[in-house]
Amino acid sequence: GDSVTQMEGPVTLSEEAFLTINCTYTATGYPSLFWYVQYPGEGLQLLLKATKADDKGSNKGFEATYRKETTSFHLEKGSVQVSDSAVYFCALMDTDKLIFGTGTRLQVFP
Amino acid sequence: EPEVTQTPSHQVTQMGQEVILRCVPISNHLYFYWYRQILGQKVEFLVSFYNNEISEKSEIFDDQFSVERPDGSNFTLKIRSTKLEDSAMYFCASRGRQGANNEQFFGPGTRLTVL
Repeated sequence: GDSVTQMEGPVTLSEEAFLTINCTYTATGYPSLFWYVQYPGEGLQLLLKATKADDKGSNKGFEATYRKETTSFHLEKGSVQVSDSAVYFCALMDTDKLIFGTGTRLQVFP
Repeated sequence: EPEVTQTPSHQVTQMGQEVILRCVPISNHLYFYWYRQILGQKVEFLVSFYNNEISEKSEIFDDQFSVERPDGSNFTLKIRSTKLEDSAMYFCASRGRQGANNEQFFGPGTRLTVL
């Protein structure tokens, strides 16, 4: 079945560092892809999405490009802030349900 | 901004007891979901619900689980006889009328601890 694999954390960075969190997927078709973020004590919030190949999703300085040839949807941010500390989940849409990766915890220190 | 709410935030129960987890989806949403996350593992789909019936369920969602929309606002997940392995964070989600790629909005979760 469809699945999502993302890099294990925690990822520890200093403020203003460059962030990459890798995500690859396995799917029979071309699903929509998502990044969700979970701040401490809160639910999952949609960060960005892409619905077809070569689409770039972006929000709050984060970006991810739907790469069909490498089946990837890596999350990037040029300059992280302490407030970006959270758990990030890569996901794909299979019919009407989301299939998530294991989540990557990001810790940003001043 | 409208949001999905869940109660309680933390539920502790004895093995074999019944629990009901409650969710209030966003008011004009029509599609409802439950997911769970066992500590340290990935978020897993349990069930989707539309027009007062289950649309899809995972193999996790066995006969011990049921969902209900008892009135116009609540969406509940019942576990009839809890097991230790049911301990997890349970997330409710809802989405509006548009296509399946429309955003699912998640609640903050209920942490269920089965002793």
